[in-house]
This record gives sequence, C-alpha cells and structure tokens, in this order.
Amino acid sequence: DTEVTQTPKHLVMGMTNKKSLKCEQHMGHRAMYWYKQKAKKPPELMFVYSYEKLSINESVPSRFSPECPNSSLLNLHLHALQPEDSALYLCASSPLIPRNEQFFGPGTRLTVL
Amino acid sequence: DAKTTQPNSMESNEEEPVHLPCNHSTISGTDYIHWYRQLPSQGPEYVIHGLTSNVNNRMASLAIAEDRKSSTLILHRATLRDAAVYYCIPRGSGGSNYKLTFGKGTLLTVNP
Repeated sequence: DTEVTQTPKHLVMGMTNKKSLKCEQHMGHRAMYWYKQKAKKPPELMFVYSYEKLSINESVPSRFSPECPNSSLLNLHLHALQPEDSALYLCASSPLIPRNEQFFGPGTRLTVL
Repeated sequence: DAKTTQPNSMESNEEEPVHLPCNHSTISGTDYIHWYRQLPSQGPEYVIHGLTSNVNNRMASLAIAEDRKSSTLILHRATLRDAAVYYCIPRGSGGSNYKLTFGKGTLLTVNP
C-alpha cells in the first residue's frame, strides 16, 4: 500500500467553526507533513512530524493545530480560521532516511466562509 | 535553501521527448536535486532525484551539469498524462533535509 489518504476531500466551514483534517498512511513512514497550497501557487510547508514528535513548525498561526496520535495518523485541527486560509491542504509522508521521496495525498480542499 | 529558476511554461507534442531545464546556481555541494510533478487536482508526485551523475528511472531521466548549477529533466516520450507542473527542488542533507521547498515550477502542456 503506497497511498496517503486524506479526509474529507472537501470542507466548507465558517470562521467560528472547529473542524479537523485527517491523514493516514500505512507505509511505515516515520515522517509526516502538512503543506498548504493556494490556487495557482506551489505548496508551502506548514509542519513536519518525525517519530510522532513535531520537529518543524514554519511559523504557522495557532489557529492551525497539528496532532500525530500514532505513526500512521496525522491530524490538523482548525479553529477560528479566516477566509484567506481557504486552500488545498496536502499531507505527505516519507521514510526518515535522508533524501527519500515524499508521498503526497490528494489533499483536502478547504473553503472558509 | 538554494534558489531555482525554471521556465514558467513549456509545450510539447505527444510521443516526443521533453527537456525541462532548471537553474540552481546557488546549490551547495551536498544538496540533492529532486524533481516532483503535480498533475491537475492531485498532490505532488516524486519523479526522480540525483546528486552528480545522470540518473534514470521508469518515469524519466535526470541530466546534471558537471558544475551542478543546472539540471534537465527528460521525459523520453511525452504522453497526455505527463501534463503537469514540474518542480525542481534542491534538497539539503542537513538537519532540515526533510523539507521540500517548492518553487514556481514549469507548467508542461502536452498536445495530442
């Protein structure tokens, strides 16, 4: 199984809502990532987890809260988002061996009203 | 992170070879050169990577200049499925080597 799955595919939320994005992989990868991609722009790294510990936070606002409950799952909790947070949120995973490829999920298309 | 320069867009015909260039003149000696692509409405997909020697895999070939300041991704016979944005990404081998910093990439259009 070389797949990264993400749910939901689409999400519409108001600025006062709390929602979560979910990512799952069963490749035994110990590094997992969240990226944000605005329309017509390249993906931008948000967070990196290695061995279920947060290792990189690219100065992401606290209204985005990542969580890695186990080695297969990665969540992104969303609270009090702004309309400018509307984007495609991509999850990826990779082995911790340096320079190995990252496997990306199809993303969750988030719209904040 | 090393800066990259890629053409904004390129066009090819189906079944013809495609050469996608990338300049990375500030690359460090230990940075690998990775290529990813992103098909419409999908997440990015790994294509190939290399350090100094030319590399081949089932998807593409990677030609790296001797001074490592540029590289070229070669698709030997383009298909319609190869239409995508192609990203060239120098990737460090230090503590932040798990990061992928995407540039603007090249939008490849393949004509039938």
